[in-house]
Amino acid sequence: AQSVTQLDSQVPVFEEAPVELRCNYSSSVSVYLFWYVQYPNQGLQLLLKYLSGSTLVKGINGFEAEFNKSQTSFHLRKPSVHISDTAEYFCAVSDRGSGTYKYIFGTGTRLKVLA
Amino acid sequence: GAGVSQSPSNKVTEKGKDVELRCDPISGHTALYWYRQSLGQGLEFLIYFQGNSAPDKSGLPSDRFSAERTGGSVSTLTIQRTQQEDSAVYLCASSADAGLGRNEQFFGPGTRLTVL
Repeated sequence: AQSVTQLDSQVPVFEEAPVELRCNYSSSVSVYLFWYVQYPNQGLQLLLKYLSGSTLVKGINGFEAEFNKSQTSFHLRKPSVHISDTAEYFCAVSDRGSGTYKYIFGTGTRLKVLA
Repeated sequence: GAGVSQSPSNKVTEKGKDVELRCDPISGHTALYWYRQSLGQGLEFLIYFQGNSAPDKSGLPSDRFSAERTGGSVSTLTIQRTQQEDSAVYLCASSADAGLGRNEQFFGPGTRLTVL
């Protein structure tokens, strides 16, 4: 069964520094990949998604992610973070062509941007 | 337009009682999902509905959990004989159609359930 691993439960980073949040999934079958963000006291919202095509995906708020099929990874990056990026970030995957509409989420990474 | 709404926003109940959690998806969305969010556990898939197809109940943790979706719109998640380990935030999400897992899900604000 598909699983998603976000190894870092918390990532502290200073404002204007770069950040990478790691995401690995278990199955090498074709997948769709997503990053969602949950700001404090708000619901989850889509940050970006990979469906096909270019492996570098750009999302909202200056975030981007790179799909690496050989390493089964979909790491999220931002070159310069802002205080307002403090939130919890969830990676999710669904299997293409599996006939299921199920999404599997990781356990989340709490990004804390320090002044 | 209105987003996904859930009610109640908070629910405190005593162990052994039954609870019902409601989700109103975005109008016209055919797919509806329920998740459970516990501290350090991420989002745990519970169940999804797609149109008139039979729901995928594979994530329901026990037979105390059930869900229904009436008229292809509103959904109710019912937990019978609640236990303390059921305490969590229950999230509902909807999408335009399941599209074999490629579409964005729109999440509601959640219901925080506390079982005393």
